[in-house]
Amino acid sequence: DAKTTQPTSMDCAEGRAANLPCNHSTISGNEYVYWYRQIHSQGPQYIIHGLKNNETNEMASLIITEDRKSSTLILPHATLRDTAVYYCIVRGAGGTSYGKLTFGQGTILTVHP
Amino acid sequence: EAGVAQSPRYKIIEKRQSVAFWCNPISGHATLYWYQQILGQGPKLLIQFQNNGVVDDSQLPKDRFSAERLKGVDSTLKIQPAKLEDSAVYLCASSLGPGTADYGYTFGSGTRLTVV
Repeated sequence: DAKTTQPTSMDCAEGRAANLPCNHSTISGNEYVYWYRQIHSQGPQYIIHGLKNNETNEMASLIITEDRKSSTLILPHATLRDTAVYYCIVRGAGGTSYGKLTFGQGTILTVHP
Repeated sequence: EAGVAQSPRYKIIEKRQSVAFWCNPISGHATLYWYQQILGQGPKLLIQFQNNGVVDDSQLPKDRFSAERLKGVDSTLKIQPAKLEDSAVYLCASSLGPGTADYGYTFGSGTRLTVV
C-alpha cells in the first residue's frame, strides 16, 4: 500500500478554514485517497474520498494535486466539534490489499475558540 | 440507516482470562473488518471477512485471537488467553465490498478492553 505522511498536529481558530496536508508520493494510478476522522472515544468517521478530481461534500473539500502525490483536506469553517484526529489513507487497489484501509498516525487537529 | 453495533462497550479482565466481542454490521454489507487500536496509534487491521469467508487474517495473532462470521452477518472476535498488551479498543467496520462505487467503511464505536 502507498504510504502517507501527515503532520503530527495542527491548530486552527474557530470559524477559519482548516487545511490538512497529506503526502502520498508512491500512490499508483488506480488508488483512491480517503480521509477519515476520529473524535475521542468514537470509531473513525468517513469524510471524503477522491481519485483525481477535486471533491466536495457537506463536510469538506478534497484537493488532489495533478501528479496525485499530495492532497489537502479543507474544512471551510472549523468548529470546536471538528477537533479530532484526521487520517489520510490510500486505499489498496490490488492483490491482498484490494479495498483495504491502512491507517497511519494521523494529524491531531485542535480548533481553538 | 442503523450503524455498526458493537458490544460490550467496555470490558475489564485479568490476564490469562478469555473475552469475546460482538459486532453486527450494517444490513447488506458483505465485508466486515476487525481493527485493534492501541492508545495513541491508528487502527490496525486484524481480520477481513467477505460474507462468511476470511479474506485476510495475516495480522491476527492466531495463537490467542480467533474470529468468526457465521451466516455472513454478525461476527465475534475472541481472545484466549488475554495478555496485558491486548489492552486496546477493538473496532468493527463494515462496507458493501470491493467493486462498489462509494467504497467507504462504517465503523462502530468500539469495545475498550483493559487487561489487568
